[in-house]
Amino acid sequence: EAGVTQFPSHSVIEKGQTVTLRCDPISGHDNLYWYRRVMGKEIKFLLHFVKESKQDESGMPNNRFLAERTGGTYSTLKVQPAELEDSGVYFCASSLMGDQPQHFGDGTRLSIL
Amino acid sequence: AQRVTQPEKLLSVFKGAPVELKCNYSYSGSPELFWYVQYSRQRLQLLLRHISRESIKGFTADLNKGETSFHLKKPFAQEEDSAMYYCALMGGFQGGKLIFGQGTELSVKP
Repeated sequence: EAGVTQFPSHSVIEKGQTVTLRCDPISGHDNLYWYRRVMGKEIKFLLHFVKESKQDESGMPNNRFLAERTGGTYSTLKVQPAELEDSGVYFCASSLMGDQPQHFGDGTRLSIL
Repeated sequence: AQRVTQPEKLLSVFKGAPVELKCNYSYSGSPELFWYVQYSRQRLQLLLRHISRESIKGFTADLNKGETSFHLKKPFAQEEDSAMYYCALMGGFQGGKLIFGQGTELSVKP
């Protein structure tokens, strides 16, 4: 079984540019989550999809962040325009049901210069 | 407010010594708690969850609702246990989002 896959593994962009992160969950997992860890802080929840619907987006920091999950398969997280404080590691996780353990990807390290 | 606190950023022990990684939580409902581990150059992975009541790699964790704690313990640490450990609380409607503590780096010296 392939695990959760994230792309790219590392992205370096300049402030003001746009970046799109991608997550492919484990096949058949309806639940997909985005988290991030910024420097020196804990891993924080961003949002939760159930299939293609946003179940909970309470952790999205502001409207520069847009998450989509077209067709209920892979998801993208776009940051536009990127700011310095967006630097960190963005994790994606998936689970079969909402109350089951989440499987994490390797994360995307985002560096904003 | 839902919160998870891991008071120790770094815990250093010698091989064979007992280990206890502390975790305290704040949650108004009935909590579901997890320990996740991240070994060097590996992804975050589930170590154990309290409802399973099982021992994984020699680690156990007991939920103490009176003290709102979920400390992770192992009687004899091994070098391969060196990793980042995260305590997490499942909050949100119908399960879902995880609330993480700050993490504790465990270093087991030979």
